[in-house]
Amino acid sequence: ETGVTQTPRHLVMGMTNKKSLKCEQHLGHNAMYWYKQSAKKPLELMFVYNFKEQTENNSVPSRFSPECPNSSHLFLHLHTLQPEDSALYLCASSQGGVNTEAFFGQGTRLTVV
Amino acid sequence: AQKVTQAQTEISVVEKEDVTLDCVYETRDTTYYLFWYKQPPSGELVFLIRRNSFDEQNEISGRYSWNFQKSTSSFNFTITASQVVDSAVYFCALSSANQAGTALIFGKGTTLSVSS
Repeated sequence: ETGVTQTPRHLVMGMTNKKSLKCEQHLGHNAMYWYKQSAKKPLELMFVYNFKEQTENNSVPSRFSPECPNSSHLFLHLHTLQPEDSALYLCASSQGGVNTEAFFGQGTRLTVV
Repeated sequence: AQKVTQAQTEISVVEKEDVTLDCVYETRDTTYYLFWYKQPPSGELVFLIRRNSFDEQNEISGRYSWNFQKSTSSFNFTITASQVVDSAVYFCALSSANQAGTALIFGKGTTLSVSS
């Protein structure tokens, strides 16, 4: 069982659909993150949760809505997305300190049609 | 502002060649950490190394070595005797003690292709 698991691995959705991405970590970490990876762009930090509390929102449009019910689970709820939102969405977790490395899931490849 | 620059977008080498991936960072903080990650085609980022700002010793791990130089704000990564399995996207990242959320700031990545 991998440390950070993301589902689904691939998702195709229409612009009027509502879907959710799921992330689960089995590492006992306190912090969880959502990153967006688009072609030719750096990994963009979207949201940070520490001990289930959101500590950072990097000016992400409201059509992306995160949820962290506990330290092991993180969701990203999607609604009325645009084609430019198509990307690889990566979840990560860490112990939470600035000196700790993050462990990543394999990502969800999202295509908005 | 925090920033990581990986000027090399793509590098192609033949097996057994040595290759160096460049990373230049910007931060005003005195305490910070630098990281390298590897992203194979499967998509998952794999942690390779962490270095703190007070430790400028170079590090070697097998065929991998890292050269940290504060004077030039660089943290370069060298693969010796490259292999096909080294083909991946490599990311350099930065985090600092004053950065809200302590999340990593990544460079754009360098795509390394190793041919046989």
